[in-house]
Amino acid sequence: AQTVTQSQPEMSVQEAETVTLSCTYDTSESDYYLFWYKQPPSRQMILVIRQEAYKQQNATENRFSVNFQKAAKSFSLKISDSQLGDAAMYFCAYRPNFGNEKLTFGTGTRLTIIP
Amino acid sequence: DTGVSQNPRHKITKRGQNVTFRCDPISEHNRLYWYRQTLGQGPEFLTYFQNEAQLEKSRLLSDRFSAERPKGSFSTLEIQRTEQGDSAMYLCASSLGAGQDYGYTFGSGTRLTVV
Repeated sequence: AQTVTQSQPEMSVQEAETVTLSCTYDTSESDYYLFWYKQPPSRQMILVIRQEAYKQQNATENRFSVNFQKAAKSFSLKISDSQLGDAAMYFCAYRPNFGNEKLTFGTGTRLTIIP
Repeated sequence: DTGVSQNPRHKITKRGQNVTFRCDPISEHNRLYWYRQTLGQGPEFLTYFQNEAQLEKSRLLSDRFSAERPKGSFSTLEIQRTEQGDSAMYLCASSLGAGQDYGYTFGSGTRLTVV
């Protein structure tokens, strides 16, 4: 069974600084996707960034980038120039590229932005 | 299209009562997923539909839970004889298809409190 582990329950960062959130996962599959989702206090889960396992290049979306280490099964999220609106719960998620394609989530990291 | 809609947003019920939640996915999305999220945890998969067919149910979905998606459009999740342990956020998500990363769109969830 696939598992996703986020070892940092809480993180904080000064506004405009950079923060990295960690995620590791376990799977025997070779074809899958990895995601970071943001869940603000308003609750709706929003996709931040996605990574396809067969792509070696790390995904980037504006201030958000990932460090994908397939052999180590590591998938960290870097947020540059942190903004107050980045405060939220961040969930790392895994999805196989076959079958039911259900998402398996980690337990989340609560990110606080310090003004 | 206004995204994935879930109703009600909040539901408070007495233990032993039945409750029903509704999810309206994005109209062209043929896959619909239900997840449950308890406080401080990531969402956990409950069940999913491909069009009107319910293709998988998690072992988390006891016999008191039933889900339907008539005509492959909206879906309902019913909990019979509610227990305090059923208190959680129930999230619905939809996606366009299988085998490619069309991504999920989540609703805002229904928060259930069983008293």
